[in-house]
Formats: sequence, C-alpha cells, structure tokens
Amino acid sequence: DQQVKQNSPSLSVQEGRISILNCDYTNSMFDYFLWYKKYPAEGPTFLISISSIKDKNEDGRFTVFLNKSAKHLSLHIVPSQPGDSAVYFCAASANSGYALNFGKGTSLLVTP
Amino acid sequence: SAVISQKPSRDICQRGTSLTIQCQVDSQVTMMFWYRQQPGQSLTLIATANQGSEATYESGFVIDKFPISRPNLTFSTLTVSNMSPEDSSIYLCSVDMDRGSVYEQFFGPGTRLTVL
Repeated sequence: DQQVKQNSPSLSVQEGRISILNCDYTNSMFDYFLWYKKYPAEGPTFLISISSIKDKNEDGRFTVFLNKSAKHLSLHIVPSQPGDSAVYFCAASANSGYALNFGKGTSLLVTP
Repeated sequence: SAVISQKPSRDICQRGTSLTIQCQVDSQVTMMFWYRQQPGQSLTLIATANQGSEATYESGFVIDKFPISRPNLTFSTLTVSNMSPEDSSIYLCSVDMDRGSVYEQFFGPGTRLTVL
C-alpha cells in the first residue's frame, strides 16, 4: 500500500526556469516530510524537510510547500540548473525517530 | 549533518552465500535504519536498529534472512543470508536527526549487491 505517491515519473525543465515536483500522501498521521535527490549508484542526498506545523520551508533555491488539507506537498527549485538533473524522492514519517515512507521518485531533467 | 560510510560499496555474490554490510556513522545516534532499493523501485525499509535491543523488522523481512547487529551507537551491520538473484539491490543505512521543528534523515552511499 503506497502511502506516499509521486504521480509524475519524469519532468523536463529548461535551465533557469522553475521546477515543480509534486507529492501526495494518504496517511494523516505523517508529521514530517522530506525531499531527497538521488543519482544512480549513490545514496539519497537530503535536500529539505518540513514539519506538519508549517506550510512552507525555504532553503536557498529549494522551497517546499505543504497543504495538509489536500495531503499534498511540492518542491520548487528556482532557478533550475543542469546539475539538478536527478531522481527526486518525496518521503514522509509519522514522527521523528520513525522510518521513512518513500514515493517512487520523479526523474528531473534540466536542459540547457 | 551526519557522515555515513558503508562497506563494501559493491559486491557480486553467488547464490546461496551470505554478505555482511557495515555501516559506520561519525556521531552517536539512537536509531539506525536499513533500506533497500531494488532495480527501478523506490526505497523500502527492511528494519530499524536500536542500540541494545533487537531490530524491528518490517512486514516481508525476517531476522533469519536479514540479521542485524547494533553493537554501539555508531555502528551497525546487515547480513543478507542465503542470497538469491532477487536480493540484488542497493542496500542503504540511514540515521535521523531531530532538531526540534527540523527533522532530517541522512543516508549512506549504499552497497550495490548483485547475486548471480
């Protein structure tokens, strides 16, 4: 039972534009939401997280928005760079110290 | 952040053998997690390892197949026993850090296992 869903398997964006990656979840007990970037043959790299008490968190070019009523979050990357090309995973946890439930990932391609 | 190393980084093993994967963290952590990523799939939790207690396994994973040790607060091992080609995956360990309103979980570089 997939509790975290990334419905877009791939996304292509031009360099300098905004990349928007979406994620939906079904478990209302999730308290923390995290985004990871992953290259093939490497471990996931933590990007940014947000707790359920917030609706926005920003770190440099990365902003995560959380809409609890819609059980939806999104990662915005502005401006997008070719080095951002990777697979992005959305993950959620019911509490700190709990393991993560992952989505299936969205492959982002940023073209020059 | 936490710096996590894993050994080996990759291995090719024969069916029926076992492989032990090591995970070392540069700071003391309470919880360590073991995940796997099968080809083309997302990350799936195998078990959660607390120091000083038995690991807690997720549905579909059993201790006889994936025994875990957690001898101290900076180290853990995962053994993949009696391997079959279906065990070919990337195995990852992770640790979490709770800084109040900010929650982060960091991953090691992974161990790429191929079973022939």
